[in-house]
Amino acid sequence: NAGVTQTPKFRILKIGQSMTLQCAQDMNHNYMYWYRQDPGMGLKLIYYSVGAGITDKGEVPNGYNVSRSTTEDFPLRLELAAPSQTSVYFCASSYLPLAGTYEQYFGPGTRLTVT
Amino acid sequence: DAKTTQPNSMESNEEEPVHLPCNHSTISGTDYIHWYRQLPSQGPEYVIHGLTSNVNNRMASLAIAEDRKSSTLILHRATLRDAAVYYCIRYDGSSNTGKLIFGQGTTLQVKP
Repeated sequence: NAGVTQTPKFRILKIGQSMTLQCAQDMNHNYMYWYRQDPGMGLKLIYYSVGAGITDKGEVPNGYNVSRSTTEDFPLRLELAAPSQTSVYFCASSYLPLAGTYEQYFGPGTRLTVT
Repeated sequence: DAKTTQPNSMESNEEEPVHLPCNHSTISGTDYIHWYRQLPSQGPEYVIHGLTSNVNNRMASLAIAEDRKSSTLILHRATLRDAAVYYCIRYDGSSNTGKLIFGQGTTLQVKP
């Protein structure tokens, strides 16, 4: 199992450009999440999905869009990049969040700089 | 709102036990305590979780106070590889979304 994979590892964008951060998992998890982590801070939830075709906003969704057409993939779209979106982005996935066994699996992250 | 309080940083010597505290004084009856850690330049990884009883696994032990308002993650013999940011998270056991709310965590430094 590759687990959760993210591409690219690094990216520099100019202000106003667009890009898609890719996330894929091969564990057949229904639940997937996108977080961002600013320097010295904890992770903040951007969007999440409880299954193919179902997405919902997290704590900081402004400036981002997501889609979930398959169980495996959960891309994150930045439409008009702004310097405030400079951050490290983590994708995660999990099985059904049963309280006694719940665990999220994280990818290695994408470091994005907007200048 | 992370709803947990942790020290910003702690230091430990290699091969000594480490006790990482977490305060969650407003915890509700359905909240589990989860711990994740984040090694440098990596995504977080699950460490352990519990509800009321103390828990042990291959990575660590979790001691939960009787009133559940605080807990302690115990690393029995710290290694250099344990240097990381440790996050204590209240997870709503009745949740159907699986959302985790991360605070700033405790940065653990392990000295050789």
